[in-house]
Amino acid sequence: SYVLTQPPSVSVAPGQTARITCGGSNIGRKSVHWYQQKPGQAPVLVVYDDSDRPSGIPERFSGSNSGNTATLTISRVEAGDEAGYYCQVWDSSSDHVVFGGGTKLTVL
Amino acid sequence: QVTLRESGPALVKPTQTLTLTCTFSGFSLSTSGMCVSWIRQPPGKALEWLAVIDWDDDKYYSTSLKTRLTISKDTSKNQVVLTMTNMDPVDTATYYCARQRLYSGRYSGMDCWGQGTLVTVSS
Repeated sequence: SYVLTQPPSVSVAPGQTARITCGGSNIGRKSVHWYQQKPGQAPVLVVYDDSDRPSGIPERFSGSNSGNTATLTISRVEAGDEAGYYCQVWDSSSDHVVFGGGTKLTVL
Repeated sequence: QVTLRESGPALVKPTQTLTLTCTFSGFSLSTSGMCVSWIRQPPGKALEWLAVIDWDDDKYYSTSLKTRLTISKDTSKNQVVLTMTNMDPVDTATYYCARQRLYSGRYSGMDCWGQGTLVTVSS
């Protein structure tokens, strides 16, 4: 089965740039989606199809995907960005939705 | 405006069957490309995908839970139902439903989620 690997935690100071990675075999050939989840809330889609943003998501959120790594980049990090972040793909070889293990972003 | 809402029992006993209903509005599961997935999240743990059903009634299940899951839809009621048999305390989790779309042979991101429903498995 297809596996997505995320770092358990990332820490960043306010105003700096946070980068959260999602590793998978040839993930660059897949469409990657990213979700933000704050405590006690449902996940929210923040980036889809590698680098597109749903309406209402700040431009500070961006994504890229190449080779074996996809990256969610959050520029000018704010305290309100502190949350869990999950990457997700559709694995067509198994007809499965696959989530990464999640990364907790801490704003110092 | 798209909304989804999960409903079902908050507490089930071990070995019982869980039935969850996702009631949605703002879209139709009879529209080409529309899909609904179920996802769960044990307390303090990661998201886990369970199953998806398409507008044309195609269904896919998590390999590890396939023998215990059944997903179905009632288009007239705008509902998707998930049943999970032989519940165990490790199945304690918040269960979510979410909308997806299928296009060009691939599934989109989940752009709308329900608020989730916590199911506890305990005797």
